[in-house]
Amino acid sequence: GDSVTQMEGPVTLSEEAFLTINCTYTATGYPSLFWYVQYPGEGLQLLLKATKADDKGSNKGFEATYRKETTSFHLEKGSVQVSDSAVYFCALRTNYGGSQGNLIFGKGTKLSVKP
Amino acid sequence: DVKVTQSSRYLVKRTGEKVFLECVQDMDHENMFWYRQDPGLGLRLIYFSYDVKMKEKGDIPEGYSVSREKKERFSLILESASTNQTSMYLCASSSAAVDNSPLHFGNGTRLTVT
Repeated sequence: GDSVTQMEGPVTLSEEAFLTINCTYTATGYPSLFWYVQYPGEGLQLLLKATKADDKGSNKGFEATYRKETTSFHLEKGSVQVSDSAVYFCALRTNYGGSQGNLIFGKGTKLSVKP
Repeated sequence: DVKVTQSSRYLVKRTGEKVFLECVQDMDHENMFWYRQDPGLGLRLIYFSYDVKMKEKGDIPEGYSVSREKKERFSLILESASTNQTSMYLCASSSAAVDNSPLHFGNGTRLTVT
């Protein structure tokens, strides 16, 4: 079945370091891909999305490119801040069947940014 | 902004109790979801609903039921709580009318079953 695999955490970086969180997927057809972020004590919120191959989603300095050839959607940021400390989830939505908009999530990657 | 409100942030219940977790959204969304979040397992879908009085099982529905009597409200019911249901529960909603509409999440209910 469809699935999402993302790198295990936790990831600890110093402020202004470069961030990459890897995400690969397995899906039938052409899924839409998402990154969600969960700050401490809160629910998840959408960070960015891409709906077709070669699309780049971006928000708050984060970017991810939908790579169909490598079935990947890696999250990157050029210079992280302490306020980026959170758990990041990669997710996909299949565009077939009766899933009615359901998302399949990866297990999450905890990021800690030190001053 | 879309607001998804879960009635309790923290709940402590005893084994065997019947537990109700309530979720309300204010954006007239058709789709509503219940997930549980556990360390190392990520989010797992329990049930979802795409219309009033409609429900579909997710990946882990055993031990749970749901109710959707009104469009804005989606309740998760633990018929007889057990310790392995101690978890963080997240409710979400989305629009069926918008392509690739994101899920909007509540802040979660941390349930402890003793």
